[in-house]
Amino acid sequence: QVQLQQSGPGLVKPSQTLSLTCAISGDSVSSNSAAWNWIRVSPSRGLEWLGRTYYRSKWSTNYALSVRSRITISPDTSKNQFSLHLKSVTPEDTAIYYCARTPATGSIDCWGQGTLVTVSS
Amino acid sequence: QSVLTQPPSASGTPGQKVSISCSGSSSNIGRNTVNWFHHLPGTAPKLLIYTNNQRPSGVPDRFSGSKSGTSASLAISGLQSEDEADYYCASWDDSLNGWVFGGGTKLTVL
Repeated sequence: QVQLQQSGPGLVKPSQTLSLTCAISGDSVSSNSAAWNWIRVSPSRGLEWLGRTYYRSKWSTNYALSVRSRITISPDTSKNQFSLHLKSVTPEDTAIYYCARTPATGSIDCWGQGTLVTVSS
Repeated sequence: QSVLTQPPSASGTPGQKVSISCSGSSSNIGRNTVNWFHHLPGTAPKLLIYTNNQRPSGVPDRFSGSKSGTSASLAISGLQSEDEADYYCASWDDSLNGWVFGGGTKLTVL
């Protein structure tokens, strides 16, 4: 059974970097058939996919256009986890952030517990 | 503005059948499969339907999905009070090279 456990601060100051980590159990971040996503939800924007990382002989990432200039998603194979870094945050980035897995079937089947991140001074 | 279009709200009485639509384009639903999620604020979204019409283990057969062209639909039969939640559709978009979601439909059980 795959489980995703998120960690990271719930409060970030404007212009700073939001950083979250997602620890994986029951699967591998280096899996050749899965992809590892970050998704956020807010009352104003609903569900919004931010990006993903995956391994297919080499590491690749895809990012949403809305955050492409500010986002980095990176794997840590030694700890079987992956991270989100979103720089230059504004109050518009206040949301609940989730990590999630895309399995070989192409859905999004497993989600972390969610982290409410508030951007405020 | 969401890439996939859903009605903002839907409602029904217990026992009724309700349907929620999801409209996309040739770069997403037209080429790729559709997923549906159930979301209660404060909890993680839950996968209800994948690959257009497949139910994960544990999802009741009251929930069904369909797709035609660039549109999809989620049907919930035998409506129950615990079905009250937000429902989102999602699909991969080949032009954006990323997942796109609908804006969500708030289902109210009257």
